[in-house]
Amino acid sequence: QVQLQESGPGLVTPSETLSLTCAVSGDSISSSYWSWIRQPPGKGLEWVGYIHYSGSANYSPSLKSRVTISVDTSKNQFSLKVYSVTAADTAVYFCARYYCIGGTCSHFDYWGQGTLVTVSS
Amino acid sequence: QSALTQPASVSGSPGQSITISCTGTSSDVGNYKFVSWYQQYPGKAPKVMIYEVSKRPSGVSDRFSGSKSGNTATLTISGLQAEDEADYYCYSYTVSDTWVFGGGTKLTVL
Repeated sequence: QVQLQESGPGLVTPSETLSLTCAVSGDSISSSYWSWIRQPPGKGLEWVGYIHYSGSANYSPSLKSRVTISVDTSKNQFSLKVYSVTAADTAVYFCARYYCIGGTCSHFDYWGQGTLVTVSS
Repeated sequence: QSALTQPASVSGSPGQSITISCTGTSSDVGNYKFVSWYQQYPGKAPKVMIYEVSKRPSGVSDRFSGSKSGNTATLTISGLQAEDEADYYCYSYTVSDTWVFGGGTKLTVL
């Protein structure tokens, strides 16, 4: 049974850095591609970016200048950093696993439960 | 990249069929088979209902089906049930090796 669990501070000060970690169990982080998705309160889903265990990553064009996703294979987890946050970064942040075959990915098959991060002073 | 365009809301009575459209461009929906649909209940993580335009994961009711024509993908739910009331999102791969969600559609079962 694959499980993903997000963790990190629930409150971040404006202009600071938001840092979250997604711990993966029941599967190796080296088996697939992994992603962060966020959802502001009462709004829709927004794709943030993806990471492969090799370190290959890509990000939403709207966030690219402020986001980094990294992977730690020794801990079987991956992480998200959002820099210079504002109130607009307040959201539930989900981590998810891509279903991939032969390096081609098609959809998310496993999700974390999500964690709410509020940006406020 | 802009979010894919979905109707904000749709509604239907139990037993009826509804469709939810998802319009993109030739840089995303129109150019790839990697279009999926997710169902989300309030406070819960999304769940995939359709992937690769029209494939249904194991365990998903066959009342859910998907299709695509040009730059528009469509989710159809037949035999509407009260439990189908949720938010639905489409999701597509793009030419820039990124992914994009639709704005979401709230389904109300009358």
